[in-house]
Amino acid sequence: EAGVAQSPRYKIIEKRQSVAFWCNPISGHATLYWYQQILGQGPKLLIQFQNNGVVDDSQLPKDRFSAERLKGVDSTLKIQPAKLEDSAVYLCASSSFVGSSYNEQFFGPGTRLTVL
Amino acid sequence: KQEVTQIPAALSVPEGENLVLNCSFTDSAIYNLQWFRQDPGKGLTSLLLIQSSQREQTSGRLNASLDKSSGRSTLYIAASQPGDSATYLCAVRSSGSRLTFGEGTQLTVNP
Repeated sequence: EAGVAQSPRYKIIEKRQSVAFWCNPISGHATLYWYQQILGQGPKLLIQFQNNGVVDDSQLPKDRFSAERLKGVDSTLKIQPAKLEDSAVYLCASSSFVGSSYNEQFFGPGTRLTVL
Repeated sequence: KQEVTQIPAALSVPEGENLVLNCSFTDSAIYNLQWFRQDPGKGLTSLLLIQSSQREQTSGRLNASLDKSSGRSTLYIAASQPGDSATYLCAVRSSGSRLTFGEGTQLTVNP
């Protein structure tokens, strides 16, 4: 079974530029998550999708961050414009959803963003 | 609001030693608790998942316990090896499917 795929693995941009990250979840997983992990901290949930609908985006800085999952499979996370404090690893995870239960989350390798 | 704390932040032990990593959480109304491993530059690998109705889970040299009433979990690693060196993260699922993570314990096992 293929795992969660993310690209790019690394990205360096200057502040005020735009950047986009891509995630392909495990096949059949209805739920997809984007996390932000700042160096030395645990991951923080940015947004959660159930199929192509948003379940939780309460911690997403909506003035600069956006995400979509148009066909309920792949997802993109965009930052526009980037700030220095956005430097972090962006992790994508997916899980299956059976009945009314969310199952174990599986994580991708992450995209390391550096904003100069 | 759920808060998760991990102690210690860093730990260095000689190879072969048994060790315990600690995790505490403020809201005992949880669905489950997961322990993850993160290697440098890599994503998270799930080690153990304990449902709220369980007291412990075991996988190989790893044993995780859960005391929901006191808001605590421990990860016990037996006979540590240099390959166990990584950051260990504790995460709690309180409502819906959101995981709240601790800041991790960075473990170094010296040969």
